[in-house]
Parts: sequence; C-alpha cells; structure tokens
Amino acid sequence: GAGVSQSPSNKVTEKGKDVELRCDPISGHTALYWYRQSLGQGLEFLIYFQGNSAPDKSGLPSDRFSAERTGGSVSTLTIQRTQQEDSAVYLCASSLRGGSGEQPQHFGDGTRLSIL
Amino acid sequence: KQEVTQIPAALSVPEGENLVLNCSFTDSAIYNLQWFRQDPGKGLTSLLLIQSSQREQTSGRLNASLDKSSGRSTLYIAASQPGDSATYLCAVEGGSEKLVFGKGTKLTVNP
Repeated sequence: GAGVSQSPSNKVTEKGKDVELRCDPISGHTALYWYRQSLGQGLEFLIYFQGNSAPDKSGLPSDRFSAERTGGSVSTLTIQRTQQEDSAVYLCASSLRGGSGEQPQHFGDGTRLSIL
Repeated sequence: KQEVTQIPAALSVPEGENLVLNCSFTDSAIYNLQWFRQDPGKGLTSLLLIQSSQREQTSGRLNASLDKSSGRSTLYIAASQPGDSATYLCAVEGGSEKLVFGKGTKLTVNP
C-alpha cells in the first residue's frame, strides 16, 4: 500500500513490560511524526524526525519513552516499564518534508496500546 | 503556548443540510492550518490544508477558510450525507513543525 503503515494494530501488555511500536512512512517522505491520542487528552505531539535526526523531542512524556529512525525510513517508538497511563492510541504521520508549511501530514491507522 | 478550540463538540444534522464547523487558535504565528477527518478506530485523513498566506481552500463539497489575524477557521460542508459522519479535527502547524490539535467535532448526519 501507499499509505503510512503501523504495527501492531493492537497491543495488550502487562504493566512494567517494554513495548515497541513500528511505523513505516510513505516512501520518499523525509519527515516523520509520532502522536498520542488518549481519552480526554485529545491528540498530543510526541516527537518529530527529519531524516534520521530528531530535532524536536519535546513531547515525549518521560524518559521511559524513546524513538529512533533508521535509514530515513522506518521508525520505532519504545516505551519501557509501561504504566497504565500509557494506554492510548499511538499515531504515526509522515510528510514530504517538514518545516515548509506546504505539505500535509499523512497518518497511519495507529497502534491501540492497552496496559493491564 | 498554542491552544486550539473546536466548537461545537458534537453536532447532529439531517441529511442534505449545509453546516459549519468552527476552530479557533490562540497564537496567529502559524505556517498552516489543516482539517482532518477521523472515523472510529481509524487514523486521520487529511481533508484540506490552508497555508498561512491563503484565505480559503476548497475540495468538492468542503470549503475551509482561514482568518489568521483573528485566529479562526471554519469548515463548511455542503449538502451533508450520512457518509460524512465522523469526527473532524482542526490542527495548526507553527514553527516547530508539530501539529497542535483541537479536540474535534463529532458530526452525525442522519438519513
């Protein structure tokens, strides 16, 4: 498919476990974004990549959260020692290039994370 | 800190009606404003993007306007259909490249 692909679509895990969420952006898109959508909080920004570097990590809620991007393509969001408040839908988006104001962000269907 | 507000939170209309969704933002220093649609259990679909230098954008039955100085945008949907039922999200992009979202308007179009 030509869209942003995220896996897994659903993840249920026990409190305290680590989880990895994957995002495959649209081919050729240099900018990649992670957002979190939780009930009552709406959509909130987590981190932005331009190529492999992350100029803006300001939205990561704690040091348990980290993300990397390799080869300017696939990105992984890792949450260590998960807590119940981490339960949310994690959305990934990509755009042709960031910072131009001209390109829309294209979103995947998200990973629904549930912490028991 | 940029804040985005959408009114109303929910809207129910009969099929065929024209409707307007509202979005306001507190900081007028934006690159663009985007309107998205979200269906239950799905990601976001980009509907319209208005750059800061533009006043409006149109796509089919959708028309979005932007008044940057007053911090307002409207999404106009003409001749609404049941398939338009979804949550509509407004988001602004500032100098930090990230999108700041409103909490959305849940639209229901009744046959």
